[in-house]
This record gives sequence, structure tokens and C-alpha cells, in this order.
Amino acid sequence: DTAVSQTPKYLVTQMGNDKSIKCEQNLGHDTMYWYKQDSKKFLKIMFSYNNKELIINETVPNRFSPKSPDKAHLNLHINSLELGDSAVYFCASSRLKSGFNEQFFGPGTRLTVL
Amino acid sequence: AQSVTQPDIHITVSEGASLELRCNYSYGATPYLFWYVQSPGQGLQLLLKYFSGDTLVQGIKGFEAEFKRSQSSFNLRKPSVHWSDAAEYFCAVYGGGSNYKLTFGKGTLLTVNP
Repeated sequence: DTAVSQTPKYLVTQMGNDKSIKCEQNLGHDTMYWYKQDSKKFLKIMFSYNNKELIINETVPNRFSPKSPDKAHLNLHINSLELGDSAVYFCASSRLKSGFNEQFFGPGTRLTVL
Repeated sequence: AQSVTQPDIHITVSEGASLELRCNYSYGATPYLFWYVQSPGQGLQLLLKYFSGDTLVQGIKGFEAEFKRSQSSFNLRKPSVHWSDAAEYFCAVYGGGSNYKLTFGKGTLLTVNP
């Protein structure tokens, strides 16, 4: 019973393409997140949704668009992929939106842009 | 603005030796502090957290951390390291309020020699 799952695990694509990463959590949590981890392992928040409402929107190119069809799902769509988008993208969830709640992370999606 | 510094990028210890990973935070008031661990190819998992009260907190897998306000530190310790502890360790801070955002340090990679 995977708590936070992401698909795909690996994504290799050409520059300029559009791709999506899907995330689902079965923990009944209200809040979900997208993080980007670069090649130096630095982890940075991108977006967060609480009950389908966007609550964190960091300085991210508008080529990145999150979508939350319901509170168990948070997808990330990326348009016009660039080399610099290569990274590992983690989805996470927490029971409530406050930052002191434990966050549960998915296994990550390794995106490689050629 | 809240921030976290992990001074050590990489630490190597022998199995059975003691471990201390350093974390310094910057925040005006008492922050909420966390340690997460990332095993190779995995997402992050919470080890322990500090909110208030006893400054020595116990976590999973035999880890503990001590909050020292005078030094703005929250160092992670383990008395005897096991080979399975080899991983990336992240300290994180949350300042409270409507920020919602958890800010991570750049991580410390722990290598365990047999």
C-alpha cells in the first residue's frame, strides 16, 4: 500500500516537448506539494495545494503548471521543456497545510531533458 | 526569512562509531525544526522534529537531536552508526504563520565504512 505514489519514475524527453508527472496519495491528507531536487541534491518547494486550493507558488517559470483534480491527486505539467528542467521531482503530502505537519514523500520522478 | 545551513557536505564514519550532523538555522523567533533522511533512490522520511519543550528530541532509527537556542543549532546525533544509515540527511525549518513553507538545508551525505 504505497502512501504517496508518482508516475512515471523515469522520464527522458527532448527539449521543447511537453510532459506531465502524476501524483496520488492514499493517506487522506489535505495538502500536497511539488519539490524539485537538483543535481546537488538541493530540495526546493515549487507548489503546494490544500484541498485543491493553491497555497504556495514559488518563483517557478510559468511553463510549470500544477493541477489538483481532487485532494488526493496533484499533477505537474511542464511545457516546452528545457535542459535546466532536468532534476528529480518529488511529490509530498501532509495532513494539514501548516509547515509543522510531517510531510510524506513519494519516490520521485527523475526527469532528463536531452 | 527562515534559512538553514548544514556546514558539512559529506561525512564518513566507521560502522559502530558515533555520529553528529550539524545544522544551524536563521529565524527571528523559535522555529519548528526537522530532520529528514533520504536513502538512495528514495523519497525523504521524517526522522524527528522539534516544536517546543524538551530540547532533546528522540526520533526513529535511534536518532536524537538537541535544540540549542544560544547557538541557533539543531544537531542530529546517533551513538552507534549502522551501515544502513548511509544516506543524505536534510535539516529543515518552518517559521510558522501563513508562510506554510518548509525550508530545507542543502543536505549532508553520510558514508558508512565497514
